[in-house]
This record gives sequence, structure tokens and C-alpha cells, in this order.
Amino acid sequence: QQQVKQSPQSLIVQKGGISIINCAYENTAFDYFPWYQQFPGKGPALLIAIRPDVSEKKEGRFTISFNKSAKQFSLHIMDSQPGDSATYFCAAPVSGGYQKVTFGTGTKLQVIP
Amino acid sequence: DGGITQSPKYLFRKEGQNVTLSCEQNLNHDAMYWYRQDPGQGLRLIYYSQIVNDFQKGDIAEGYSVSREKKESFPLTVTSAQKNPTAFYLCASSGLRDYQATNEKLFFGSGTQLSVL
Repeated sequence: QQQVKQSPQSLIVQKGGISIINCAYENTAFDYFPWYQQFPGKGPALLIAIRPDVSEKKEGRFTISFNKSAKQFSLHIMDSQPGDSATYFCAAPVSGGYQKVTFGTGTKLQVIP
Repeated sequence: DGGITQSPKYLFRKEGQNVTLSCEQNLNHDAMYWYRQDPGQGLRLIYYSQIVNDFQKGDIAEGYSVSREKKESFPLTVTSAQKNPTAFYLCASSGLRDYQATNEKLFFGSGTQLSVL
């Protein structure tokens, strides 16, 4: 099974700054790249997702950038807020049919006032 | 409200004991999953089920067992063979993956924290 490598492991950003989390994948069969957000003591929830037929997708302050040739995708959080403090996971589906996915190891984001 | 309910929120296991974690969904999803979360290791798939009365092992199935007798329910048993069971366990569900539809996501429960006494 191919892995998804996520970095950094932790990130501290000042309020109003830009948070950037990166993921790299190996399996070129991956065709869907979601990001999940998890608050302490809760289950993850889908934040934003992208397909490789586009290079960027933006939803509010959250943007996914996708570089197919480099096999990398990243999450950018613009104007980061303390409420964004959470753990973020990138993921990629392992096979079609159902959502069996492989997750990155997570990035713990702390936004300080 | 539609969603996934996991219980209990906290569970303690004595050595040699089997414990069962409950997962119920009312989203009418066909597929259900169990993940284990350890600090710094992300989410690892234990078992998944695509249809009632059928399930497959994930990446770390040893020491765990599941059943899928009803579409809504997918309980996980942590057996005494699992020597390091302390972790946060997450249940999830999803619909059939369809490129054009909005089923492209996992819905997670709020998790069960299992600890060893």
C-alpha cells in the first residue's frame, strides 16, 4: 500500500498569518485528495477536497494546491484564526468503490493571538 | 439529526478481557470502517465493511474482530490478543463512491478512548 507523507508534524502560526501543510504521495492511481480537520476529542470532518484534473481549489480561507508532476498537494489556510487550531490530515483513496483511504500522519496547528 | 454514534466515550479494559465498542449510523450508508488513532501516527484502518454480513481486514486487524449483522451497526471487539489496545478508536461510514455525487467523504463518529487498567 502506498503511503501519504505529511509535513510538518506541528505548526505554530500567528493570528492573521498563512498556515501551509504539505503532503506527498506515491501512487499515481490516486484520483481524489481530501483534507480532514479534527478538534481534540472529536472525530475528523471533511474540510476540503480536490481532484487531480485541477491545480487549485478554494473554499473560503482554505485552498488546496495540487502539483501532479511533483506528486504533492498542500493545504493553505489564509488569515489563520485561533478557531483553526486543530489537527489536519491529508488522505488519498486506496481503491475505488468505497472510501477506503490512507491518511497522512497529521499536522497539529496552533494559531496564537 | 443524521450521523454516527459511538459509545462509550471512555472505556477501560482489564488484562485478559475482551471489550466491545459500539458504532451506529442512521445515514443509510453501505460502508462502515474502524480506525485506530495513536499520537503521531495518523489514522490506521482496522476493519471495513461494504455490505451487511461481509467485512475485510484493514492494515492492523490482528487482535480485533467485527460483525455486520445490520446495515446500521458495526461493533468492534478488542480481544485479549491485542497487547497494546490503548488508543482513540474512530468509526466512520460512507456512501458508494461516485465521481459525480456528493458521497466523496467519510463521516466520523466522536470516538471512543480505550485505556488499559
